[in-house]
Amino acid sequence: GAGVSQTPSNKVTEKGKYVELRCDPISGHTALYWYRQSLGQGPEFLIYFQGTGAADDSGLPNDRFFAVRPEGSVSTLKIQRTERGDSAVYLCASSLPETQYFGPGTRLLVL
Amino acid sequence: SQQGEEDPQALSIQEGENATMNCSYKTSINNLQWYRQNSGRGLVHLILIRSNEREKHSGRLRVTLDTSKKSSSLLITASRAADTASYFCATDAKGYSTLTFGKGTMLLVSP
Repeated sequence: GAGVSQTPSNKVTEKGKYVELRCDPISGHTALYWYRQSLGQGPEFLIYFQGTGAADDSGLPNDRFFAVRPEGSVSTLKIQRTERGDSAVYLCASSLPETQYFGPGTRLLVL
Repeated sequence: SQQGEEDPQALSIQEGENATMNCSYKTSINNLQWYRQNSGRGLVHLILIRSNEREKHSGRLRVTLDTSKKSSSLLITASRAADTASYFCATDAKGYSTLTFGKGTMLLVSP
């Protein structure tokens, strides 16, 4: 079956702009996770959804970052007033218990 | 923050040789997982080992876990050029599968 998909693959924006990153999880997976990976580092947790609700958003770096999952499937990560330090690969994963399946990521570049 | 630390940071071997990567972590865990990442994009799940397991095999992969030392190792036997990738260990400490990753080991297998 289809894996986790993320759009866009790449996003270039200017400092101060607003961006939305989309994640389509594997059908039937109730848990969804967002991670951010900077160059040379491992992924770092941002937020975890169980169904429609954010069960843990402790990884969001500040209030410019927000994520939603209104119908319990597709999720959107929203970044307001982007900064150059937000440049990274944003990874989404979905899971049944234990094993997380990752999408290909969105590479965000803030100029 | 990074929970795990992989060692070595980089490893270069010839095809046919074995590759061993180590991971140390800081807090108690429910399970530990190893992932592979090609070209800085999506992560591929390799193997999961639970905290009550000591060793697990999957094809050419062998993972060990020593909870008393808070460490794990990943052995890839008879390596191939296609094994060239970054390898990450990830721990699940919170009980709902939010993963904490190390910085990874970059493996280069030369033909």
